[in-house]
Amino acid sequence: DSGVTQTPKHLITATGQRVTLRCSPRSGDLSVYWYQQSLDQGLQFLIQYYNGEERAKGNILERFSAQQFPDLHSELNLSSLELGDSALYFCASSVDGGQLYEQYFGPGTRLTVT
Amino acid sequence: TQLLEQSPQFLSIQEGENLTVYCNSSSVFSSLQWYRQEPGEGPVLLVTVVTGGEVKKLKRLTFQFGDARKDSSLHITAAQPGDTGLYLCAGGDDKIIFGKGTRLHILP
Repeated sequence: DSGVTQTPKHLITATGQRVTLRCSPRSGDLSVYWYQQSLDQGLQFLIQYYNGEERAKGNILERFSAQQFPDLHSELNLSSLELGDSALYFCASSVDGGQLYEQYFGPGTRLTVT
Repeated sequence: TQLLEQSPQFLSIQEGENLTVYCNSSSVFSSLQWYRQEPGEGPVLLVTVVTGGEVKKLKRLTFQFGDARKDSSLHITAAQPGDTGLYLCAGGDDKIIFGKGTRLHILP
C-alpha cells in the first residue's frame, strides 16, 4: 500500500459525459501528479500540482482540468468524454516537486467510455 | 522533445536465467528512474540513477546509467517468477516522461 488513495476504482460512462477522479496523497506529501496509461501510448504525464499551485503540464487535453485543494487532495476532471479517453488514470504524490523525489503511485482509476 | 525508448518490448525467459533490458534516448537526462508495475497496480520506484556511469544494485537487480547520461540498463541475475512485471524507465526535468516499458515474464 503506497498510502495514495484514488476513487473510484472503476468508472464506466458514455461519450460526451463528464467525470471527476479523486486522489488523496500520502500524508506529508505536497506534490500530486496525474498520469494516463493506455496500451498504445504507455504512461503519459498529464499535470503536476505542488502545494495547491500548478507546477508542470504535460500532454493534458483542453477537455481535461485538475486542481489541488488546500487539504492537498486533488481532482482530475474529464469532460466531453470520447472513446479514446478510456484508460487507466494514476495519481502519484511526492514530498517535494523535484524529479529526484520518489513518486508514490495510487492504485489507479480505470475509466471506460462507451 | 525528450523520448525514452525501451527494449525489448516483451521478454519471456525461464526462471534462473539472466537478462538485461535497456532504456535509450538521444537526449541527456539529469537522472533516470526505474519502476516496476504489476497488473492492476501503480508503478513502484526501484531506483534513481543520477551520475553518469553510476551502478546501483538492488538484490539481484543491477542498474547502470550511461556515461553520457543518455541511456540506462537493468540487469537481472537468476530471474525469479516474482520478477514478472512491466519495467518502466522515466526521466525529465520539468516534465516527466516514461518509456513504454519492457513487459517481462519469468516462466517457472
